[in-house]
Amino acid sequence: DAGVTQSPTHLIKTRGQQVTLRCSPISGHKSVSWYQQVLGQGPQFIFQYYEKEERGRGNFPDRFSARQFPNYSSELNVNALLLGDSALYLCASSFRTENEQYFGPGTRLTVT
Amino acid sequence: QKEVEQNSGPLSVPEGAIASLNCTYSDRGSQSFFWYRQYSGKSPELIMSIYSNGDKEDGRFTAQLNKASQYVSLLIRDSQPSDSATYLCAVNVLGNQGGKLIFGQGTELSVKP
Repeated sequence: DAGVTQSPTHLIKTRGQQVTLRCSPISGHKSVSWYQQVLGQGPQFIFQYYEKEERGRGNFPDRFSARQFPNYSSELNVNALLLGDSALYLCASSFRTENEQYFGPGTRLTVT
Repeated sequence: QKEVEQNSGPLSVPEGAIASLNCTYSDRGSQSFFWYRQYSGKSPELIMSIYSNGDKEDGRFTAQLNKASQYVSLLIRDSQPSDSATYLCAVNVLGNQGGKLIFGQGTELSVKP
């Protein structure tokens, strides 16, 4: 069975640019969550979506936004990139919001 | 106080020994608890979930939960060098409409041959 997929795997952007990261959940899973992980720390929660509706939002600025599509895939957008946005961005899918979450391979974003 | 706390390590154990990883959490309403393993440069991999007090065993792994003490642990028996990784404790904090995983900072485990 295919796991969670994310694209792209790596990305290099300059400050002030905008980026879109994509995620496809495990087949049958209806919830997608996004996390940011910087080196040496655990993942930090950004968003959770279920059935195309936002169900949770972490402590991130409004430059971060996301959406979920009818096929349950999701996009994370980050505007006006800062150097501090450099991190591994992880997508996790689950059947529902309270179930086990399974992570994709992540997108490594570098902002220069 | 951090919501989920782990000893950052590194924790070093000899091959074949038992590795014990600990985690405490602050939200008494939490109902779901998870352990993830993360190899360097990779994404977290779910290895154990536990929802009720007591022990849950899966192969060489045992998760232990004590909600009264707000404490979760992971035991790895017969540790192997391939177990060397960072272990992340995660707690599912349920909000009005959904849940979010709150992670500890992870414990780095090194298993020496």
